[in-house]
Amino acid sequence: QVHLQESGPGLVKPSQTLSLTCTVSGASISSGGYYWSWIRQHPGKGLEWIGYIYYSGSTTYYNPSLKSRGSISLDMSKNQFSLKLSSVTAADTAVYYCARGEPGYYYMDVWGKGTTVTVSS
Amino acid sequence: SYELTQPPSVSVSPGQTASITCSGAKLGDKYACWYQQKPGQSPVLVIYQDNKRPSGIPERFSGSNSGNTATLTISGTQAMDEADYYCQAWDSGTVFGGGTKLTVL
Repeated sequence: QVHLQESGPGLVKPSQTLSLTCTVSGASISSGGYYWSWIRQHPGKGLEWIGYIYYSGSTTYYNPSLKSRGSISLDMSKNQFSLKLSSVTAADTAVYYCARGEPGYYYMDVWGKGTTVTVSS
Repeated sequence: SYELTQPPSVSVSPGQTASITCSGAKLGDKYACWYQQKPGQSPVLVIYQDNKRPSGIPERFSGSNSGNTATLTISGTQAMDEADYYCQAWDSGTVFGGGTKLTVL
């Protein structure tokens, strides 16, 4: 069974870079043709897609609303993928989820439990 | 940018049928999926490719998608189905609906 687990600092200062890692177990991120996504949820709000990276690492796609602040990468040796979000503000305070996506149909069938990130000085 | 619209809330009596709609331009030409999210938990996929159920999802969950509207239907709604439900589609990126809070009274 595939499991995803997010990790990273729970507190980030304004203007700094938020860095999160998703560790995948039960499957190799470099096979299967999946894409690997980050999604966030602001307190009491709905889901917001951040972006994804294809299993080969060759393709990334981001939500334009992030205004090029996001970067997603793969570390195949550790079976992990990561999110970096630069120049954070309080508006980036949210629960961040990683998820596995099915290419072609774009649904996400496996989600991590989520990690809370607070942006505050 | 593409938008998906859901009603903020839907109420249903136990044992009755709940229908949650998701509207978007030509949504029927895309694949829609649905997630269930209970408080403090991560989302769970309940319907994909418009009307398919993942393994482990009860048969009372079904979906349809035509024209501009996708619909999640829960037949014989149970108290355990009380949750937030989100539709999702792809249009130059993943798009989520705003979510619908299902209350089972």
